[in-house]
Amino acid sequence: VIWMTQSPSLLSASTGDRVIISCRMSQGISSYLAWYQQKPGKAPELLIYAASTLQSGVPSRFSGSGSGTDFTLTISCLQSEDFATYYCQQYYSFPPTFGQGTKVEIK
Amino acid sequence: EVQLVESGGGLVQPGRSLRLSCAASGFTFDDYAMHWVRQAPGKGLEWVSGISWNSGSIGYADSVKGRFTISRDNAKNSLYLQMNSLRAEDTALYYCAKDLEMATMVYAFDIWGQGTMVTVSS
Repeated sequence: VIWMTQSPSLLSASTGDRVIISCRMSQGISSYLAWYQQKPGKAPELLIYAASTLQSGVPSRFSGSGSGTDFTLTISCLQSEDFATYYCQQYYSFPPTFGQGTKVEIK
Repeated sequence: EVQLVESGGGLVQPGRSLRLSCAASGFTFDDYAMHWVRQAPGKGLEWVSGISWNSGSIGYADSVKGRFTISRDNAKNSLYLQMNSLRAEDTALYYCAKDLEMATMVYAFDIWGQGTMVTVSS
């Protein structure tokens, strides 16, 4: 099983801030990484797959980078609708696993 | 509109069974693998089970293997999860999710339902 360490667990930020969330793998996964956004009471939504490919309809302020064991999700200019919990997920090896989540809250 | 709608959740006693359903619409269901992902109250996401487009490939998380059975009916555009020998730790919101890529199973999820809650308690 591939273990994932997502950091930070909680991030306090203001609208307009640049936000970076990290995800580190226990072993290399090439670029088989996805990022999801989940708002309270809602289902997760796919933001990015293949580490850096933006899902259709996702605003360009979201970007992903990395390969191997270290990945980041960047929100270039935080908007009010971006306050949510973000999860990384590896799909390189079975079983697929998720990070523990990063809650982005209003500072 | 692409949509997944889960049903079948509820309150059940430990050791009993429950069957979840997921109705798909807005896409060619039999082109895609499908999955169940769960989220315990206040916790993170856990992949539970997945099934390929033709049911030829099926996988389970270790936590449910031998107790849960995934299946699909492509004629009815439906996905199922038969859950037996339920435990308190199975209490969660169960999401149905569509695989990202057509005709394969990559275990990334681009469409999610709103979930159905399963509570296991005496």
